[in-house]
Amino acid sequence: EADIYQTPRYLVIGTGKKITLECSQTMGHDKMYWYQQDPGMELHLIHYSYGVNSTEKGDLSSESTVSRIRTEHFPLTLESARPSHTSQYLCASSEAGTPGLNEQYFGPGTRLTVT
Amino acid sequence: AQKVTQAQTEISVVEKEDVTLDCVYETRDTTYYLFWYKQPPSGELVFLIRRNSFDEQNEISGRYSWNFQKSTSSFNFTITASQVVDSAVYFCALSEERTGNQFYFGTGTSLTVIP
Repeated sequence: EADIYQTPRYLVIGTGKKITLECSQTMGHDKMYWYQQDPGMELHLIHYSYGVNSTEKGDLSSESTVSRIRTEHFPLTLESARPSHTSQYLCASSEAGTPGLNEQYFGPGTRLTVT
Repeated sequence: AQKVTQAQTEISVVEKEDVTLDCVYETRDTTYYLFWYKQPPSGELVFLIRRNSFDEQNEISGRYSWNFQKSTSSFNFTITASQVVDSAVYFCALSEERTGNQFYFGTGTSLTVIP
């Protein structure tokens, strides 16, 4: 069973607010990921990290930023939320090792609505 | 170009029927990995199975079975004697050794099992 947590689960905020979505895992995984998923659509990778102090942007352009100061923690920040940011955000983690080999374990997601 | 195609957007079956979810992938790598995930209404993606490109053996786990065929670039998933608890969105995903941090997800198949 995966131990990866996301808070909040649901968030409704107004345009222009700064928000941080939290993600933590207790499995000691080096790799962590953020995906954006619109209802009924595929997942799009927006950020990933190989380990502490390592972050990369994914394929989907995003106005969000991430940090990785501790292995277990990978928060995502939106400096100024807009209605176009309304979506579900999924955090995942996986072990290091052979590229592509290890399955990703997902958190429950944060459903963000920007009004 | 879409690397993973799940042509079936929605499927409805009556309980106890068998159902097959199709997945077709595209890659030029010789080493790659295929995955199936289940996303119940709660939103969390649950890992079901991983296959690597060198292992074409079909796999059975309880009521679930997977048919991997490199000749047709397909990795289909069959649920035997479906149950209401199988209702979820199912995602097929591909990762390549060359770009190991990138998981390519299909658009998902929404399965509804009618009691």
